Amino acid sequence: DAKTTQPNSMESNEEEPVHLPCNHSTISGTDYIHWYRQLPSQGPEYVIHGLTSNVNNRMASLAIAEDRKSSTLILHRATLRDAAVYYCILRETYNNNDMRFGAGTRLTVKP
Amino acid sequence: NAGVMQNPRHLVRRRGQEARLRCSPMKGHSHVYWYRQLPEEGLKFMVYLQKENIIDESGMPKERFSAEFPKEGPSILRIQQVVRGDSAAYFCASDPDGIGNTIYFGEGSWLTVV
Repeated sequence: DAKTTQPNSMESNEEEPVHLPCNHSTISGTDYIHWYRQLPSQGPEYVIHGLTSNVNNRMASLAIAEDRKSSTLILHRATLRDAAVYYCILRETYNNNDMRFGAGTRLTVKP
Repeated sequence: NAGVMQNPRHLVRRRGQEARLRCSPMKGHSHVYWYRQLPEEGLKFMVYLQKENIIDESGMPKERFSAEFPKEGPSILRIQQVVRGDSAAYFCASDPDGIGNTIYFGEGSWLTVV
């Protein structure tokens, strides 16, 4: 299984942008890059996903490197409610049950 | 459209008892996943089911754990003869079409074994 590597923790100031990195050097051509986040005492929540092109939605942006070996989740203006563990996951298009969560990055947002 | 519903939210069992965790997927979703999260750890995949079928149970412990998703009713994760190490949060997620672009998680069931 292709693996992802994320920093254990990051800090941000409120209302500033946050860039959460993820390395996935063994990604295959059919792997989608998914991001989920988990707030304290809650289930994970979908954030965004992409394959090759950068993606934007109301929650965040996903910047994917040209060689796809890394990606960055961008929160444009962090709020206190964005404090969570962020998981970067690779998901094969033809093996739909294979969504494996790593340890993720714990984001702390300071007021 | 109600989200993924899990119950009970909190369950306390004595060692040796059985725990049954229920998951009702979102309306129209026929694919369900179960994950386990130990304290201060990430989520671990347990099992993936479609209606009446287990598709992948590679993450399920070989003994004491079972899962089902009947034609009617919720998906059930059953843990027999619980031990302290089973204490964890158990999350269910549902998928509308099995393609897996987005899966939706419930709020979890917290099992404590005393």
